[in-house]
Parts: sequence; C-alpha cells; structure tokens
Amino acid sequence: AQKVTQAQTEISVVEKEDVTLDCVYETRDTTYYLFWYKQPPSGELVFLIRRNSFDEQNEISGRYSWNFQKSTSSFNFTITASQVVDSAVYFCALSRRVQGGKLIFGQGTELSVKP
Amino acid sequence: NAGVTQTPKFQVLKTGQSMTLQCAQDMNHNSMYWYRQDPGMGLRLIYYSASEGTTDKGEVPDGYNVSRLKKQNFLLGLESAAPSQTSVYFCASSYPLGGRGSTYEQYFGPGTRLTVT
Repeated sequence: AQKVTQAQTEISVVEKEDVTLDCVYETRDTTYYLFWYKQPPSGELVFLIRRNSFDEQNEISGRYSWNFQKSTSSFNFTITASQVVDSAVYFCALSRRVQGGKLIFGQGTELSVKP
Repeated sequence: NAGVTQTPKFQVLKTGQSMTLQCAQDMNHNSMYWYRQDPGMGLRLIYYSASEGTTDKGEVPDGYNVSRLKKQNFLLGLESAAPSQTSVYFCASSYPLGGRGSTYEQYFGPGTRLTVT
C-alpha cells in the first residue's frame, strides 16, 4: 500500500527563522514520484516541486530546498529565512508510475510565520 | 489559458438533494481527477479519468458518480447529498511529462466549497 505521513500538524515560527517540514512515504514500487504543494489561505493548490525516485539529488530554489533520501523514505522541505507570505498548508504527495498519476496526499502541515 | 476551472465556487445543499459539480480544462490534458479535502485528512481521490469516455474509482467513491463525455470536461455528481459530503472539492488535470516512466504533473482548479445541511 502507498502512504504519505506528515507528522507535523502545525508549526509556528517567527519570521527569518528556518523551518523544515517532514514527509515520510511508504511504497513498494521502485519507480515513483514525490511532490510538494502549497495551499495558501486563499485555498488554491500551488505546485512546488516534483522528484523522481531515481534522482536523489537535493534541490534548491531560492529560499526553498528539498532533501530526498530513499534510505529513510523521506522527502523533507526546508524554508530558509521564512517570511509571513510562507504561511500556508503544505502537502507532500506520492504518485505511482503505473496508476495514471493519481496522487496520494499526506495530511498536510500548517505553517504559521509570525512577524 | 484559463487552466482548470470549477463551477460553482460555493454551494449549500439540503440532505437528499442532488447536484453536479463541473470541471473544465483548456490544456488538452488526457487525465482528470476529482479530490475532496477534509480537515486533517489531506486530499483524497474520489474518481479519476485517464481519457475521454473512461472513469475509475479512487479512494472514496461512495455517494458520487462521474461523467467524462468530452475531453475537456469532468463532471462530479452527488445523487443524494449527505452531511458527510460537506467538503472542499478539487478538480485536477494532467498530461504526461514525456517518455517512458513519465509521471503526470497535476494542475488544480480553485475548488468548490460544498456544505450539506
């Protein structure tokens, strides 16, 4: 069975702090894909990143970075120097190559960045 | 391009009423999906469609039906609404990123907030 766990339900930080959002996944597939989405208070879902299971390189995009470790089945997301605009719910998701791209979402982590 | 659009944005139903949520995409995507979002549970797949004319059940299909008569439209029906169907509904569409082993990057609509009283 496929499963995504985001154990942190809520995180609160003060602006400029670094924060890491954890994501642990379960799958028996050798090929799979991991995603992060952001849901700001306005409610829409914003795609942040996709990572293939065969590419364990970490990625950095501005203040955002992602650490993918197959050995621990984790795909963690770090925001450096957080800003109030980063306040949102963040979802980690998993999809299988063989099932037409259906996404399995984690429960989400609500990040609150206070000024 | 409008991307993925959903109508209506908000809806209030009484128990037992029926309605159809509409989703349209103008990106010529093959695959379309319906998810529901409930507090503390993330998004869960209700139904999906790999191509025009085909549909398949997701994780939580009970109480819903779907229709994909045209490639650009994916309709979600509630035949007899129940309070347990109070949720935010998201439609998504996707295309293969190309090549063997490709995955499907999904684009989401703005959501429909449904309340069943």
